[in-house]
Amino acid sequence: DAGVIQSPRHEVTEMGQEVTLRCKPISGHDYLFWYRQTMMRGLELLIYFNNNVPIDDSGMPEDRFSAKMPNASFSTLKIQPSEPRDSAVYFCASTTYRGGRQYFGPGTRLLVL
Amino acid sequence: KQEVTQIPAALSVPEGENLVLNCSFTDSAIYNLQWFRQDPGKGLTSLLLIQSSQREQTSGRLNASLDKSSGRSTLYIAASQPGDSATYLCAVDAGGTSYGKLTFGQGTILTVHP
Repeated sequence: DAGVIQSPRHEVTEMGQEVTLRCKPISGHDYLFWYRQTMMRGLELLIYFNNNVPIDDSGMPEDRFSAKMPNASFSTLKIQPSEPRDSAVYFCASTTYRGGRQYFGPGTRLLVL
Repeated sequence: KQEVTQIPAALSVPEGENLVLNCSFTDSAIYNLQWFRQDPGKGLTSLLLIQSSQREQTSGRLNASLDKSSGRSTLYIAASQPGDSATYLCAVDAGGTSYGKLTFGQGTILTVHP
């Protein structure tokens, strides 16, 4: 298996623009997680899905952030409008069962100018 | 709210040394604990997962222990190698209503020099 795939790997945008991050989980994994990593706050869980349904979005920082999972092999995290404080590395992870080992993608490094 | 702390924040050792990384958590009612490795610019790789009912897990030169009652876990690396240089993170799954959600420590940056 190719593992968790994320795109783009790097994104540079200007404040106010819309940003869309993409994730393809490992085939057969029913759970998908979105995390954000910054130097100040470390790794934080933003939202997670089970069988394409959002289960817990309590970590989503504000209404500018939204996430969807239209099918079992694809998820998006959208920021609209983006702000400089959104600059971070965004990771997607998947697992076969709740509480299981999580497999992380390589991350998307986002810089908002 | 569960808080996870890792000590030390950074560690530099010569090749061949045995070393211990520490992780502590504030709420002992956990479901499991995972240790991850993160290489610069890369994602996280799961190294070991210890269920709350277990005391330790081993994989090759790595051994992770768990003491729920004291809220501590250690990752022991035997005969360290330069290739072990990375950031090591522990993460706790609190279970219950937070089942499946991981709370991470800030990590320990390990450097093994030849």
